[in-house]
Amino acid sequence: EDKVVQSPLSLVVHEGDTVTLNCSYEVTNFRSLLWYKQEKKAPTFLFMLTSSGIEKKSGRLSSILDKKELFSILNITATQTGDSAVYLCAVERGTYKYIFGTGTRLKVLA
Amino acid sequence: DARVTQTPRDKVTEMGQEVTMRCQPILGHNTVFWYRQTMMQGLELLAYFRNRAPLDDSGMPKDRFSAEMPDATLATLKIQPSEPRDSAVYFCASGLGTGGRETQYFGPGTRLLVL
Repeated sequence: EDKVVQSPLSLVVHEGDTVTLNCSYEVTNFRSLLWYKQEKKAPTFLFMLTSSGIEKKSGRLSSILDKKELFSILNITATQTGDSAVYLCAVERGTYKYIFGTGTRLKVLA
Repeated sequence: DARVTQTPRDKVTEMGQEVTMRCQPILGHNTVFWYRQTMMQGLELLAYFRNRAPLDDSGMPKDRFSAEMPDATLATLKIQPSEPRDSAVYFCASGLGTGGRETQYFGPGTRLLVL
């Protein structure tokens, strides 16, 4: 059965800390892995990864995919309270079929 | 500022009633997705359309759920009859392009409570 597992389930850090969120997957016909940030409402897109070893970066966020070991990490450096959210990982299996993990809830304390 | 809109934002209904949720995708987007989010299951893909044609609805309970796109500006998700286990937040998302992946934008969701 296809699955996407995120860890840790929740995390509390202080402003300025660096965090690493993990996403491992077992899916057939992998096409891409996506990261989303979900605050109070709808998820917002962060990254899409399709190739191993190529880091994607946006400001203090970065992500990388390892297709051999079947996982991805999302790094956030110099965290801010505005980074508090649930971070979702999704894997595209086949075309348009997205399987989401249950998310990592990040709380950044001032 | 283009965005996906969904109505209603909140819906409380009684078991057995019909529920219709509506979504207006971003103008020009050719892919529309319906998701359901619960605490237990997280985000689940229910159905998706490309160029208004349903590509896959295998994530939906067939006996009570139906999804349609009567035109390019409207997608609907119906539940008939509704059951308490259908209580969840239902998201619509729209995307553009051959994959629609990088530009998949989520609407604000419809929070459904079935009593």
